[in-house]
Amino acid sequence: GAGVSQTPSNKVTEKGKYVELRCDPISGHTALYWYRQSLGQGPEFLIYFQGTGAADDSGLPNDRFFAVRPEGSVSTLKIQRTERGDSAVYLCASSALGGAGEAFFGQGTRLTVV
Amino acid sequence: GDSVTQMEGPVTLSEEAFLTINCTYTATGYPSLFWYVQYPGEGLQLLLKATKADDKGSNKGFEATYRKETTSFHLEKGSVQVSDSAVYFCALLKGNAGAQKLVFGQGTRLTINP
Repeated sequence: GAGVSQTPSNKVTEKGKYVELRCDPISGHTALYWYRQSLGQGPEFLIYFQGTGAADDSGLPNDRFFAVRPEGSVSTLKIQRTERGDSAVYLCASSALGGAGEAFFGQGTRLTVV
Repeated sequence: GDSVTQMEGPVTLSEEAFLTINCTYTATGYPSLFWYVQYPGEGLQLLLKATKADDKGSNKGFEATYRKETTSFHLEKGSVQVSDSAVYFCALLKGNAGAQKLVFGQGTRLTINP
């Protein structure tokens, strides 16, 4: 597609449930990033993929969070045993190699844990 | 650690007013600096950037100059339009080549009234 696509755009889940958030990056972009944006705050880094591998996962808050990018294109962010504090907008971005500062962002998935 | 502090919002101006949104940063060395903008209903998009001290980034009538003496990257526009209403994020690029990520400020919501 023309831009970064994230699905779903909204997700409401019950506390304790498992969720998956999907990101389709711009075709040809080898770098993919996940950020989390809480209300009234700027995006915070979660994880960075270069190709299929996670080059930096230092932003993942705990082991309930996991992300994959098995074929170097689509990525899935997985959250286990969701908690109300996980409620936020999850943003995906992609860039060409070496272009971390010039990332293209999706519109995000708004996750609400009730 | 590296951080970005932005002027608190929201900011409300009349059309054709002069705009300044303050941004200061704390970082090791001299990181590349960015302004991203999020228009209503859209994803974050890069507005402008500067990669070294005294560089001026510009785009769509907006400007920002990288000032290492004051560790600042203030966003300015001489005459704002209603269409400039959006949330603006200042950011720096952190990390070594091949493992870089953006560190964002908290964002400043700008509303321009006709």
